[in-house]
Amino acid sequence: DGGITQSPKYLFRKEGQNVTLSCEQNLNHDAMYWYRQDPGQGLRLIYYSQIVNDFQKGDIAEGYSVSREKKESFPLTVTSAQKNPTAFYLCASSPRAQGGKGSPLHFGNGTRLTVT
Amino acid sequence: AQTVTQSQPEMSVQEAETVTLSCTYDTSESDYYLFWYKQPPSRQMILVIRQEAYKQQNATENRFSVNFQKAAKSFSLKISDSQLGDAAMYFCAYSSGTYKYIFGTGTRLKVLA
Repeated sequence: DGGITQSPKYLFRKEGQNVTLSCEQNLNHDAMYWYRQDPGQGLRLIYYSQIVNDFQKGDIAEGYSVSREKKESFPLTVTSAQKNPTAFYLCASSPRAQGGKGSPLHFGNGTRLTVT
Repeated sequence: AQTVTQSQPEMSVQEAETVTLSCTYDTSESDYYLFWYKQPPSRQMILVIRQEAYKQQNATENRFSVNFQKAAKSFSLKISDSQLGDAAMYFCAYSSGTYKYIFGTGTRLKVLA
């Protein structure tokens, strides 16, 4: 079955270390997204990519970086510059048809990152 | 800028009863889409229902239906015959075609046996 796989489910890091969250999809979707979820704040967009080798900053991109070398993969690196990295991170994808308009997002199961 | 507001942080409903979750949004666009997503304790986000703004007819998916009031910019979700498995966070979301989906802050639904 097609879907989005995020790994690992739980991740623990020491402050000052960079960490990379994995996101792989086999839905053949062109667009991929990273969201951050904090209690009481809903989902906030970190980065999105419409196509391979292209990505755009979202609303809270500072302290994060991404790459999109393959259609199936969109890893997110949380750098030491991110001041409050402890959060739940969700990866999503959508077809590019209609310019992304109206296509529902498909989500992975998320990664809970804890930085101490 | 577009915004999505869910004014009910938490709601409760008795099993088998009906509950309505509220969502309002603000936009100057005429062509857009609205969604309700469910996030159960597993934290997997699941699409519940989708509404196209240019369609007058309210979307329905089994026990889930929406009341879409375009002029009032309101998009409420009605859950009929509530089941224990409906307990979750529910998020309202807006998309107008820029690859940006704007989410509300969510409503936690508790279902009482």
